[in-house]
Amino acid sequence: GAVVSQHPSWVICKSGTSVKIECRSLDFQATTMFWYRQFPKQSLMLMATSNEGSKATYEQGVEKDKFLINHASLTLSTLTVTSAHPEDSSFYICSAGEGVNQPQHFGDGTRLSIL
Amino acid sequence: QQQVKQSPQSLIVQKGGISIINCAYENTAFDYFPWYQQFPGKGPALLIAIRPDVSEKKEGRFTISFNKSAKQFSLHIMDSQPGDSATYFCAAHNDMRFGAGTRLTVKP
Repeated sequence: GAVVSQHPSWVICKSGTSVKIECRSLDFQATTMFWYRQFPKQSLMLMATSNEGSKATYEQGVEKDKFLINHASLTLSTLTVTSAHPEDSSFYICSAGEGVNQPQHFGDGTRLSIL
Repeated sequence: QQQVKQSPQSLIVQKGGISIINCAYENTAFDYFPWYQQFPGKGPALLIAIRPDVSEKKEGRFTISFNKSAKQFSLHIMDSQPGDSATYFCAAHNDMRFGAGTRLTVKP
């Protein structure tokens, strides 16, 4: 079945570091991918919609200069957390599907810990 | 941000029992209603989904009931097993909004 690969699965780094997370669709092309943030025991919060070949669409309250999204190909979207601080520590998840109203396939998430 | 309201927040069911989780949505433009299952430390995985042109969909022990006029849909897990213990999220596409989640515990 369709698989979405997310890398890395766990990152621990110092405050001020920029961290890049990759999301790949392995056996289908995804013109749109989604990035979420999830706090412990809470739901997924949509951060942004990543559009291949164009600018990402950010949800209200999400700083686009803080969370840089690049969707350079039909199989890869990246989320870069710039100058990360402890409050950015969270579980970040991506998803992709073969259409917005089609099943979404999720990556296994990236646990980001900023010291 | 949530346009999908999910209940209950947590649910404890005995093995073999029926687990029922409910969701309500607001936007009538939504036309795809999936349920996702998430285990700790993992991303959600699609469990079952329904479109508004049908009122019920069954896949094995999992059934979605959909009430378009009430803008509600529910997940029924028959013969619940300890391995079903997870967090379940409903969602409504085309908006990529998720319910708050239901933490299901199935006791042996």
